[in-house]
Amino acid sequence: ETGVTQTPRHLVMGMTNKKSLKCEQHLGHNAMYWYKQSAKKPLELMFVYNFKEQTENNSVPSRFSPECPNSSHLFLHLHTLQPEDSALYLCASSQDPDSGNTIYFGEGSWLTVV
Amino acid sequence: GENVEQHPSTLSVQEGDSAVIKCTYSDSASNYFPWYKQELGKRPQLIIDIRSNVGEKKDQRIAVTLNKTAKHFSLHITETQPEDSAVYFCAASRGSGGSNYKLTFGKGTLLTVNP
Repeated sequence: ETGVTQTPRHLVMGMTNKKSLKCEQHLGHNAMYWYKQSAKKPLELMFVYNFKEQTENNSVPSRFSPECPNSSHLFLHLHTLQPEDSALYLCASSQDPDSGNTIYFGEGSWLTVV
Repeated sequence: GENVEQHPSTLSVQEGDSAVIKCTYSDSASNYFPWYKQELGKRPQLIIDIRSNVGEKKDQRIAVTLNKTAKHFSLHITETQPEDSAVYFCAASRGSGGSNYKLTFGKGTLLTVNP
């Protein structure tokens, strides 16, 4: 299944670097999400976009900056990250955020901050 | 906000046995409860979900039960197979339609099915 694709799959970056994660969905969905998955912690919702508009920012530090140019693409811009930001970052999409439709996840981007 | 507790954190069963994973939630307004399966190195995928207007739902070897009064719901897998080995996440959300974006996840259960 390649409905939600993420690149890169693996990323190692220094604390002073600037990098971006990319997500693309081919499902015709209107809502896109960024989740953070750390070891032994629940999946944490970071951002929600509905029809390109950000509808949720779950108290995420400003060193994470999302961008949604259209309903099919979502970026997560990273700068001056900390080692504790190392995690799997999952992009997801759904038909819309309020109707209880299934959320489809991408394979994730493994981020290591050194 | 919502708090979802999931137990056990690890579960090991013999092939053919049943497995049960339990979750409790704190927000009585939650009305949508999905379960996701995440195999090693892969994405979480929805395997079954239940809404608060029903008490049980089945799909072949998996079933989910919901007790709204006690605020807990459980995943039941019967006749387990090695390919059932994965991390299972429960989640809960509230909203008029069962808002996915307000999903609160449990910490996950690592299920190992031994051949």
